[in-house]
Amino acid sequence: DGGITQSPKYLFRKEGQNVTLSCEQNLNHDAMYWYRQDPGQGLRLIYYSQIVNDFQKGDIAEGYSVSREKKESFPLTVTSAQKNPTAFYLCASSIDRGVGELFFGEGSRLTVL
Amino acid sequence: GESVGLHLPTLSVQEGDNSIINCAYSNSASDYFIWYKQESGKGPQFIIDIRSNMDKRQGQRVTVLLNKTVKHLSLQIAATQPGDSAVYFCAETYGGATNKLIFGTGTLLAVQP
Repeated sequence: DGGITQSPKYLFRKEGQNVTLSCEQNLNHDAMYWYRQDPGQGLRLIYYSQIVNDFQKGDIAEGYSVSREKKESFPLTVTSAQKNPTAFYLCASSIDRGVGELFFGEGSRLTVL
Repeated sequence: GESVGLHLPTLSVQEGDNSIINCAYSNSASDYFIWYKQESGKGPQFIIDIRSNMDKRQGQRVTVLLNKTVKHLSLQIAATQPGDSAVYFCAETYGGATNKLIFGTGTLLAVQP
């Protein structure tokens, strides 16, 4: 089945540690995105990538980093510089950056202890 | 600035009734709108979309209405079922760019048996 796979589903981290969230898609989509979801707030864009080896900051990129070495993969690293990292993280993809449907993964819940 | 909001944070309906979820947007330049459904602990699922050159669009048991005069969007679900229980949120974009999507905070739809 085509889709987006995020892992791990749940992750616990100690303060000061970097963690990397995995996102893989087999939809052959060019564009991929990372969003953060907090209770009572709409999804906020962290980073997006339109093409391999290129990515752009979203609205809340500080404390995060990404890479896009392969079309299928767009991992997100939550660094120790992110002041409030506990959240639900969603990866998405679309055929391209233009108007179109976003396909979401099942999400990764990060908790900082 | 641009914002997307919902009038009712929680909507409780009886099984079999019709549901109406509302959304207000503030940017008159927005030209593409999407409704998503998100079940607890899962990623959002696309329900239906509509472009600004349309007033109404129908899907399977769902209808989206767009009133550009008052910048209002609604999602109607016919014959609501227990499986429809979820958070529903709308999103808007302008300039046709998926990376510019602005998401609302969501309405919780609770279907009573």
